[in-house]
Amino acid sequence: EVQLVESGGGVAQPGGSLRLSCEASGFLFSSFEMIWVRQSPGKGLEWVAWISSSGGDMSYGDSVKGRFIISRDNARKSLSLQMNTLTAADTAVYYCARRFGSTPDQWGQGALVIVSS
Amino acid sequence: QSALTQEASVSGTVGQKVTLSCIGDSNNIGSYDVGWYQQISPGAPKTVMLGTSLPSGIPDRFSGTKSGTTASLTISGLQPEDEATYYCSTWDFSLRAHVFGGGTKVTVL
Repeated sequence: EVQLVESGGGVAQPGGSLRLSCEASGFLFSSFEMIWVRQSPGKGLEWVAWISSSGGDMSYGDSVKGRFIISRDNARKSLSLQMNTLTAADTAVYYCARRFGSTPDQWGQGALVIVSS
Repeated sequence: QSALTQEASVSGTVGQKVTLSCIGDSNNIGSYDVGWYQQISPGAPKTVMLGTSLPSGIPDRFSGTKSGTTASLTISGLQPEDEATYYCSTWDFSLRAHVFGGGTKVTVL
């Protein structure tokens, strides 16, 4: 069974940093591209970042470009999102998702990030 | 403003057929398969359609089609448990980004 489990969510101060992790199991992690998607309170889904299966290529949404860094460790079957210079607008539930073809197919349960002083 | 356009809301009675649409352009829907996701708040999204393929465990009353730059999700025989918000998504090669629709809230009357 495919499982994606996020961790690392919590409360951060404006201007602060937080690191999310996603542990994968039940599939050959190194063969799949991965993405992060977030959902602000009462809003729709917003794509945050994408990483290739090898980790050699990444892409970011405009709202996080230059502040967030996506990375992966295929040996540990782990995906990460380093979030820097956080603002209130980054408050959201963050989901890691496996990419199948051109679109996500498996989702984690989500990690809540609250940016507040 | 979302790159993909969805109806804000759709409603139907139990047993009725409803169709949700997702409108894009040649850079996204016109070039790639579309995924459809069901979200019952406050839970995580659940994949109900990948292109025209039904993921394991999803009832066959769900079906997906695409014509040009418009994708559609049809629920044939609406059930009370189908009440949720549905999002469409795909890759946009011009933006080099995943794009989502704004979501369609399906209400079962």
